[in-house]
Amino acid sequence: QKEVEQNSGPLSVPEGAIASLNCTYSDRGSQSFFWYRQYSGKSPELIMSIYSNGDKEDGRFTAQLNKASQYVSLLIRDSQPSDSATYLCAVISSGSARQLTFGSGTQLTVLP
Amino acid sequence: DVKVTQSSRYLVKRTGEKVFLECVQDMDHENMFWYRQDPGLGLRLIYFSYDVKMKEKGDIPEGYSVSREKKERFSLILESASTNQTSMYLCASSLKPDGYGYTFGSGTRLTVV
Repeated sequence: QKEVEQNSGPLSVPEGAIASLNCTYSDRGSQSFFWYRQYSGKSPELIMSIYSNGDKEDGRFTAQLNKASQYVSLLIRDSQPSDSATYLCAVISSGSARQLTFGSGTQLTVLP
Repeated sequence: DVKVTQSSRYLVKRTGEKVFLECVQDMDHENMFWYRQDPGLGLRLIYFSYDVKMKEKGDIPEGYSVSREKKERFSLILESASTNQTSMYLCASSLKPDGYGYTFGSGTRLTVV
């Protein structure tokens, strides 16, 4: 069983809509959660981190964490074509301090 | 801003060659990592290091070794390159304490022919 699972997509949304990206993880003791954005041919860049249950907002991005359900999500409001990229969920699991485990990513396309 | 620099953007090597991939970070980070990224498989951890002279195996260390002689430099070595090592290689570094995200280098696309 993969430790971090994401729907590979592709996910398409119209410009201006809300894009919802989901991620589940297997280690209940995980403490730190991250979302990375990766444009085609580029390296991943960190866009959000979340450590506590609930929502964390940063501009058009909202990360949501539910540790009981072992679920983390990323919402992108007012999606723009420039948001088209692959979004990687990453988790630091208990017992593997400082090592990020990545999901395989969800490819998002925002249609003009 | 932290900068993580990988020495080559594209490399083409022959089967059996010894290959060195270099990574340098400029912010005194303790932790450095090497991943490879393949379609459908995501990022997989090859080796990591928490300090100079220290190295730990990741999930897929076979066929690779690493060297960290200085804090800022972490090298990945393919002892005898094989075609199944054709991939995108990504170096990353992170701050102490635990729980911070990584900063990635721009990646090296290695093709072994």
